[in-house]
Amino acid sequence: SQQGEEDPQALSIQEGENATMNCSYKTSINNLQWYRQNSGRGLVHLILIRSNEREKHSGRLRVTLDTSKKSSSLLITASRAADTASYFCATGSSNTGKLIFGQGTTLQVKP
Amino acid sequence: ETGVTQTPRHLVMGMTNKKSLKCEQHLGHNAMYWYKQSAKKPLELMFVYSLEERVENNSVPSRFSPECPNSSHLFLHLHTLQPEDSALYLCASSQVFWGTGELFFGEGSRLTVL
Repeated sequence: SQQGEEDPQALSIQEGENATMNCSYKTSINNLQWYRQNSGRGLVHLILIRSNEREKHSGRLRVTLDTSKKSSSLLITASRAADTASYFCATGSSNTGKLIFGQGTTLQVKP
Repeated sequence: ETGVTQTPRHLVMGMTNKKSLKCEQHLGHNAMYWYKQSAKKPLELMFVYSLEERVENNSVPSRFSPECPNSSHLFLHLHTLQPEDSALYLCASSQVFWGTGELFFGEGSRLTVL
């Protein structure tokens, strides 16, 4: 299937540390997006990277995309307790445009 | 305030009940989506509407019936559900159907089927 697979499934770090989450996918994409979900809430869009881009920044977020390896990473620098949430990658198919979500990484940032 | 409002936020129903979930978007978007989120599973796409026309029905059982009366409103009618249908149901919208932009999600409706 096309869906992204995040790694690790769960991550626990101390406040101030960096958090890195990875996403792998199988088919051709035109974009890859990262979303955050606080417990029991809806998803919030964080950042979108297009297939012809290799790196993108937004505040404390840094996303990389390697289309040759069909993988992406999300780096959150100087993490805060408020960053505790689940993070999902979603891949946009270059054939159908359909956006498919992975299972997510649960991040816990301890104060 | 996300621009996409879902009601009710919580719903408990028996297997023989009929209920509906409502979604309203205030963003002027042309596409709306229903997703199902179950524990430890990826988000499952259920239905997609573009300009009020259903363009995707992702092999969803007939006990789920969507309705899109206009581009701002989306309903999910529920009938004779099963306990395994208990999940968080998320509505989303986007400016263009499966465009290259982001989806805007509501806060979800937590459904429990007894």
